Amino acid sequence: ILNVEQSPQSLHVQEGDSTNFTCSFPSSNFYALHWYRWETAKSPEALFVMTLNGDEKKKGRISATLNTKEGYSYLYIKGSQPEDSATYLCAFDFGNEKLTFGTGTRLTIIP
Amino acid sequence: DVKVTQSSRYLVKRTGEKVFLECVQDMDHENMFWYRQDPGLGLRLIYFSYDVKMKEKGDIPEGYSVSREKKERFSLILESASTNQTSMYLCATRGRGIQPQHFGDGTRLSIL
Repeated sequence: ILNVEQSPQSLHVQEGDSTNFTCSFPSSNFYALHWYRWETAKSPEALFVMTLNGDEKKKGRISATLNTKEGYSYLYIKGSQPEDSATYLCAFDFGNEKLTFGTGTRLTIIP
Repeated sequence: DVKVTQSSRYLVKRTGEKVFLECVQDMDHENMFWYRQDPGLGLRLIYFSYDVKMKEKGDIPEGYSVSREKKERFSLILESASTNQTSMYLCATRGRGIQPQHFGDGTRLSIL
C-alpha cells in the first residue's frame, strides 16, 4: 500500500496568521495530487487537482504548490479565518481512477 | 453541481445484522467508491466500481460486499455486522480522467 503522509497531524493558528502544511508522497510514477477540505458535519470538498511539477494553484486565500521530483506538496492559507477550520486531506492519484488519501491535517483557527 | 446522496446520516444496527448503505449520484459518473474513515487512519477504500456491475476490491474489503446494478446507485453491504465495523462511511463519485472525487455527507454507523 502506498504511503501518503501529511504533517503536522493537527495545528492551532491564531486568526489572521498565515500557515502551511505538507503532503509527502512517492516521487515515482506520479500522475496527480488532490487536495480536499473537510469541515465538520459536511462532506469533503475538492480544492485542487495538481499534475505538473512546479505547479501552483490558488483559490482565494488558499494556495498549493507541487514538487513531483522530491514528492511533496504544500498547502498555504494566508490570513487564516475561523471558517478555515477543517481537516485538509491530500490524495495521491494513481491514474487508474483510485486515490490514496493521507491522514489529514486538522486545522483549528483560534479567534 | 454534483449531488451524491447517502441514504442515512446516522444508523445503529446490531451485531450479526445484514446492513445496507445506499449511495445515489446524479451526474452520470462511471466511477463510484466506498470509504470508511476512522480516527488517525484517514479515508480507506473499501470497494470501487468503474461501471455497472463492475467492482474492484479496495484496501479493506473484508466483511463487505457491494452492488452496482444501475449507474447512479452503489450499495455497500455488511454481510454480518460486527462491532469493528462501527465507523463513518463515505461514498464518492468521479468522472473519467483527472477529475476530483465528489463525496456524500457520510453515514455514521454504530454496531452494538
